Amino acid sequence: GENVEQHPSTLSVQEGDSAVIKCTYSDSASNYFPWYKQELGKGPQLIIDIRSNVGEKKDQRIAVTLNKTAKHFSLHITETQPEDSAVYFCAASSRYSTLTFGKGTMLLVSP
Amino acid sequence: GAVVSQHPSWVICKSGTSVKIECRSLDFQATTMFWYRQFPKQSLMLMATSNEGSKATYEQGVEKDKFLINHASLTLSTLTVTSAHPEDSSFYICSARATGQPQHFGDGTRLSIL
Repeated sequence: GENVEQHPSTLSVQEGDSAVIKCTYSDSASNYFPWYKQELGKGPQLIIDIRSNVGEKKDQRIAVTLNKTAKHFSLHITETQPEDSAVYFCAASSRYSTLTFGKGTMLLVSP
Repeated sequence: GAVVSQHPSWVICKSGTSVKIECRSLDFQATTMFWYRQFPKQSLMLMATSNEGSKATYEQGVEKDKFLINHASLTLSTLTVTSAHPEDSSFYICSARATGQPQHFGDGTRLSIL
């Protein structure tokens, strides 16, 4: 089955800096890669996703890049703000089947 | 759009009782719903997948008779934790997905068994 590794487990940045979270996956059949943000005591919220036919996708301060050959995908957050502080999960699946999640990254943005 | 509502958000009950958690897709038809369990500071663990009108598919190690899942309509799925014990205390999260669309999650239910 699919295995998703996520790094780092914690990331501390100063407000205004950029943050990068990286994931690798094992199943070459995976073609859908969402990122979720989970705030304390709440469910995960989809923030951006990418399909395998695209190498990069941007939405304002958030971008995701995908390297199919290396089976890597990354989340980039620019101009971080304190409200970006949360746990971020990457995931992978094939054809919208069951998602396999990474172990999460706790992002702390200091004012 | 794509709002998933989960109730209750927090429940405390005595050991041996059964607890029902509801998951509703408010503005779309969810052909598939998922139930997850999450321990503190850990990732989401898939418990089961349910398609409307079909029996749920449980992940290995999840007791079917312990965690009863019903997906009777395109907007509602329920998880019943039967004869709950302290070790069942956890954060339970549902998600819903329309055909060909991403999964959207509810805000979870914190279950505490005394």
